[in-house]
Amino acid sequence: SQQGEEDPQALSIQEGENATMNCSYKTSINNLQWYRQNSGRGLVHLILIRSNEREKHSGRLRVTLDTSKKSSSLLITASRAADTASYFCGWNYGQNFVFGPGTRLSVLP
Amino acid sequence: KAGVTQTPRYLIKTRGQQVTLSCSPISGHRSVSWYQQTPGQGLQFLFEYFSETQRNKGNFPGRFSGRQFSNSRSEMNVSTLELGDSALYLCASSPGTYVQETQYFGPGTRLLVL
Repeated sequence: SQQGEEDPQALSIQEGENATMNCSYKTSINNLQWYRQNSGRGLVHLILIRSNEREKHSGRLRVTLDTSKKSSSLLITASRAADTASYFCGWNYGQNFVFGPGTRLSVLP
Repeated sequence: KAGVTQTPRYLIKTRGQQVTLSCSPISGHRSVSWYQQTPGQGLQFLFEYFSETQRNKGNFPGRFSGRQFSNSRSEMNVSTLELGDSALYLCASSPGTYVQETQYFGPGTRLLVL
């Protein structure tokens, strides 16, 4: 499948804890992106990391990219209830764009 | 700037009918992509338009088509609807010339086929 994988499929943590989600892809990429989706709504872009970057930060988000392993991880630090959402990684597949199956994150108050 | 808008937000159709969904990108964005999201298949790329031309197409049957107008607004059409077409249809616009760049999504159109 061109979709790759994300794990875990679902993650439940307490407020204040850190959440880590992993993404694996199957092709060479120009960049990899992470998006958030709240309960069946549109996706919100979180962060883009280019193939020549290894780590990127944005607020409480930290993304790493290992092109040799074709994998990326998203770390959300000090999670909040408002972080409850589905998180998707996405990348180019030829001239198309592909999303992973996503991780459902639940942050419990 | 106003975000990406999609109309209608909800739609109920019956099998065999056709449907047209509309997307207005962020002002100045010339690339518009469409995605189908279902619980079983996840997010799947439908097609991408740039300057009124379809540049890329995903693996969907010919019943799925689209177009883009000179003002970058886009429509997608699904003919001869099937039950499996029930999904959330998402439109995304991009300021760049490549679908790989940051995409800005609309709220989606939820289509239910009965």
